[in-house]
Amino acid sequence: GAGVSQSPSNKVTEKGKDVELRCDPISGHTALYWYRQSLGQGLEFLIYFQGNSAPDKSGLPSDRFSAERTGGSVSTLTIQRTQQEDSAVYLCASSSRTTGQGYGYTFGSGTRLTVV
Amino acid sequence: AQTVTQSQPEMSVQEAETVTLSCTYDTSESDYYLFWYKQPPSRQMILVIRQEAYKQQNATENRFSVNFQKAAKSFSLKISDSQLGDAAMYFCAYRTLEFTSGTYKYIFGTGTRLKVLA
Repeated sequence: GAGVSQSPSNKVTEKGKDVELRCDPISGHTALYWYRQSLGQGLEFLIYFQGNSAPDKSGLPSDRFSAERTGGSVSTLTIQRTQQEDSAVYLCASSSRTTGQGYGYTFGSGTRLTVV
Repeated sequence: AQTVTQSQPEMSVQEAETVTLSCTYDTSESDYYLFWYKQPPSRQMILVIRQEAYKQQNATENRFSVNFQKAAKSFSLKISDSQLGDAAMYFCAYRTLEFTSGTYKYIFGTGTRLKVLA
């Protein structure tokens, strides 16, 4: 696609439920990142996918968080047994090997998750 | 570990005036990139300007320019002739290269909310 697409735009869920957030990167971009933006905080790195390499999961805050990227394209971030502290905007970004080198990411518009 | 600090949670500027947003960072690396991103209410993060650490010349993009002081580890953003459309959250970001995994990780500051007054 022309840009990074994220869905849903907004999600309200009850505490304890599982949620899935989707990211569709720019076609041809091999690198995909997930970040979490909590109120008053900067962007917190969650996970990184690069091509067929094993993902860098070092930023995932707990084992309730997982992500996968199928076919090297679309990615899904899953949060199990959601807690109120999971409420945040979840941003996805992608880059190619070339454009990622110092040219910054292309971000999606994020998913605002609210856990009630 | 690298850190990025934005000490101004909120700034205001009169339309057509100039404003400077501050950013400091800490790193032991000698080569890296620095970025300023703009996040309007739409939440879309937009790249405003970038600076390569090995370049002494300050980057400029139209009304946006940076004051990069490598020794002081300072990277401020100057917005000239401010416009109402400049109102947004501005994030300073540092890009590190993790050689072991080939990961390009970005470290973001906590942001500065810029208000533009008509």
